Amino acid sequence: DQQVKQNSPSLSVQEGRISILNCDYTNSMFDYFLWYKKYPAEGPTFLISISSIKDKNEDGRFTVFLNKSAKHLSLHIVPSQPGDSAVYFCAASARGSSGSRLTFGEGTQLTVNP
Amino acid sequence: NAGVTQTPKFQVLKTGQSMTLQCAQDMNHNSMYWYRQDPGMGLRLIYYSASEGTTDKGEVPNGYNVSRLNKREFSLRLESAAPSQTSVYFCASSVGQGPYGYTFGSGTRLTVV
Repeated sequence: DQQVKQNSPSLSVQEGRISILNCDYTNSMFDYFLWYKKYPAEGPTFLISISSIKDKNEDGRFTVFLNKSAKHLSLHIVPSQPGDSAVYFCAASARGSSGSRLTFGEGTQLTVNP
Repeated sequence: NAGVTQTPKFQVLKTGQSMTLQCAQDMNHNSMYWYRQDPGMGLRLIYYSASEGTTDKGEVPNGYNVSRLNKREFSLRLESAAPSQTSVYFCASSVGQGPYGYTFGSGTRLTVV
């Protein structure tokens, strides 16, 4: 049972345009959401997060939007740069989860073309 | 500032062989985790340790054992490797208080033939 789902395995955009990565979840106990970025042969690195009490969080070129009623979040990258080409993982954590366990989605490969 | 260090980076095993993946963190984090990454399946939690002295099963624990040796080190053991355990393994650590960002190691690519 995939509780966090990223339906698009890949996304290709032109440099300077907006990249929108989507994520859906099914567990209503999730109350904290994160995005991780992963380059080949490296471990994932934390990018941005959002608490369920908010519907938007912005950090430079990266903005995460949360729609709790739809159980949907998205990551917007504006403007996209070739260095943003990586796999992006959506992750979620539930209230009271022991040890701060995160549940990850399948990942979306973003390619930004010069 | 090493962060999370995993060894080895690559390993090839024959079916039935055993091995231990090592993980150490130098950030004084309380919680540590082992994940595996497979194509189309994202990162799946194998085992985790919320604090020194405790370990718990994650989503896919079968075929694995873990040891939280001390606050810094968390090892993953495959007692009898199977081809289905071919994967990239990531160790991670976190402060443990709240679902805040993990710090991941660079991974171990394991192939079981």
